[in-house]
Amino acid sequence: DIVMTQSPDSLAVSLGERATINCKSGQSVLYTSNNKNYLGWYQQKPGQPPKLLISWASTRESGVPDRFSGSGSGTDFTLTISSLQAEDVAVYYCQQYYSTSYTFGQGTKLEIK
Amino acid sequence: EVQLVESGGGLVQPGGSLRLSCATSGFTFSSYWMHWVRQVPGKGLVWLSRMNSDGSRKIYADSVKGRFTISRDNAKNTLYLQMTSLRDEDTAMYYCARSSMSDNTACGSWGQGTLVTVSS
Repeated sequence: DIVMTQSPDSLAVSLGERATINCKSGQSVLYTSNNKNYLGWYQQKPGQPPKLLISWASTRESGVPDRFSGSGSGTDFTLTISSLQAEDVAVYYCQQYYSTSYTFGQGTKLEIK
Repeated sequence: EVQLVESGGGLVQPGGSLRLSCATSGFTFSSYWMHWVRQVPGKGLVWLSRMNSDGSRKIYADSVKGRFTISRDNAKNTLYLQMTSLRDEDTAMYYCARSSMSDNTACGSWGQGTLVTVSS
């Protein structure tokens, strides 16, 4: 299985400031034949199921605010929230869907400083 | 509107069995890959299993291979997870999720989950 490792485990950021969450995969999740990274980012608020924010490492899902962006390729990826809002408090997970068995990162808890 | 509603969770003794259901609506169920994911309260997400649209491909995480069986009834628009030989560590919220018509895509829609508690 591909191991996904997120950093940091928790993060406190002031309102309006930038939040950056990293995700590293144990092997490349870039499929060279189509040049797509099989990497998604999810947001989970307390008491709610996860919500897909970004797929293919950098494609925002419909309705996701443009302050959320994803970047990276191969084994190293980043989720950036450009200007933190109160409603962004949540746990964020990366997930690879490159291999037969999907795997998630351990999660990053984002709080307001 | 896409809807996924899990049911069948509850309290079960170690070694017991349970079948979870995920009733769906708002989309053509028979065209989509479907998944099960679990989450121990306060912990992270763990992907368990997925199945293709016609049920001919079933893939499992090593942690549940041989104990859990994913299935679907396209006539009833419902996904199932049969769980056997349950252990304390299987206690978790179980979510069903939908990805897309194609293989190897992210899970874009999720249910609210059903809680399974394994305890004597």
